[in-house]
Amino acid sequence: NAGVTQTPKFRVLKTGQSMTLLCAQDMNHEYMYWYRQDPGMGLRLIHYSVGEGTTAKGEVPDGYNVSRLKKQNFLLGLESAAPSQTSVYFCASTYSGPRGPQHFGDGTRLSIL
Amino acid sequence: SQQGEEDPQALSIQEGENATMNCSYKTSINNLQWYRQNSGRGLVHLILIRSNEREKHSGRLRVTLDTSKKSSSLLITASRAADTASYFCATEGDFGNEKLTFGTGTRLTIIP
Repeated sequence: NAGVTQTPKFRVLKTGQSMTLLCAQDMNHEYMYWYRQDPGMGLRLIHYSVGEGTTAKGEVPDGYNVSRLKKQNFLLGLESAAPSQTSVYFCASTYSGPRGPQHFGDGTRLSIL
Repeated sequence: SQQGEEDPQALSIQEGENATMNCSYKTSINNLQWYRQNSGRGLVHLILIRSNEREKHSGRLRVTLDTSKKSSSLLITASRAADTASYFCATEGDFGNEKLTFGTGTRLTIIP
């Protein structure tokens, strides 16, 4: 049972490049979340999904897009990477939304040069 | 904006001692959760306490919740080197949002 898997684990981009981060969960969870973690700022929610085919904006959505075409996958896209998007990105999933525990992947460390 | 704020930001104690960290939040909540994050890893859920509960235990963990003061505490008893990690509180508001809001965390170091 893999839980939540994030790919890639590390990536270095140049400013202006685009990329997609993949999150996959095998727990049949409805809810999925994308966070970014920066030093001293804790976790900030980028986008989330309450079910297949749905997405919603979180606290810091600008510069990111998401898609949830399949229940088990939640993709985070950077359209035109900027140095301010250098961060560690975490995906999480849960069965019962904020009423239950979230299961996290081990993160994607992204550097934008 | 952050809903929860942990205190202290960093804490170092000797192995075997108890560690206490606190979380304060701003608005009414349905539940409050505590998570641990080891270096280079994702967060791991520790315990959830609902707004109508005052105290909850799980192994060496004890969580209290005081909704009148909008605060919670996490106590780790008989600390071990493996408890070295960052600890975060997260809150679900009572306004039906489908998400948690995380605090900035307490960095706990256990000195062998």
